[in-house]
Amino acid sequence: DAGVIQSPRHEVTEMGQEVTLRCKPISGHNSLFWYRQTMMRGLELLIYFNNNVPIDDSGMPEDRFSAKMPNASFSTLKIQPSEPRDSAVYFCASSSTLNYGYTFGSGTRLTVV
Amino acid sequence: QQQVKQSPQSLIVQKGGISIINCAYENTAFDYFPWYQQFPGKGPALLIAIRPDVSEKKEGRFTISFNKSAKQFSLHIMDSQPGDSATYFCAASIADSSYKLIFGSGTRLLVRP
Repeated sequence: DAGVIQSPRHEVTEMGQEVTLRCKPISGHNSLFWYRQTMMRGLELLIYFNNNVPIDDSGMPEDRFSAKMPNASFSTLKIQPSEPRDSAVYFCASSSTLNYGYTFGSGTRLTVV
Repeated sequence: QQQVKQSPQSLIVQKGGISIINCAYENTAFDYFPWYQQFPGKGPALLIAIRPDVSEKKEGRFTISFNKSAKQFSLHIMDSQPGDSATYFCAASIADSSYKLIFGSGTRLLVRP
């Protein structure tokens, strides 16, 4: 099992540009979570999906953020337009309803200059 | 009421010593309490977890102690090793269809040789 795969690992972009982060969950997992990690705010849940359906997006900071899960094996988190305060490490995690454990990806370190 | 409060923020322990990290919660509906370990540049990884029907769970050198009446739980690392140096997060969730985890703010542990 390759685990949760995120791409890219690092992204540097200019303010105002669109950024798309990608995630491939573990096969068979039916819940997917997007988290943001910063020194100031720790791990924040942005949005989560259950069976490809967005369940709770109350953590999405602004309308500039959007997430999709078109099928069970792929999800994207998009920021448009990006701002310097969006700089953080973005993690994707997946889990199975058969147990409670999350498996996190290695994250995408986003820097907006 | 959804918060999980974690302390201390940082911890320095000598090799062979005991590391203790504490967490407290308010929401009595929480019924799953995992601990995650995160190394620099990596995503958090599930270390050990407990449910409120037991007061203690041990896996190797790692032990969770759970006090349901006080709404507190803690992680004990026995015989701490330099390789245990990492950031530790407690978390809590409710057994609904989402299994949404609420994370504590994290504890940075440094084990000195």
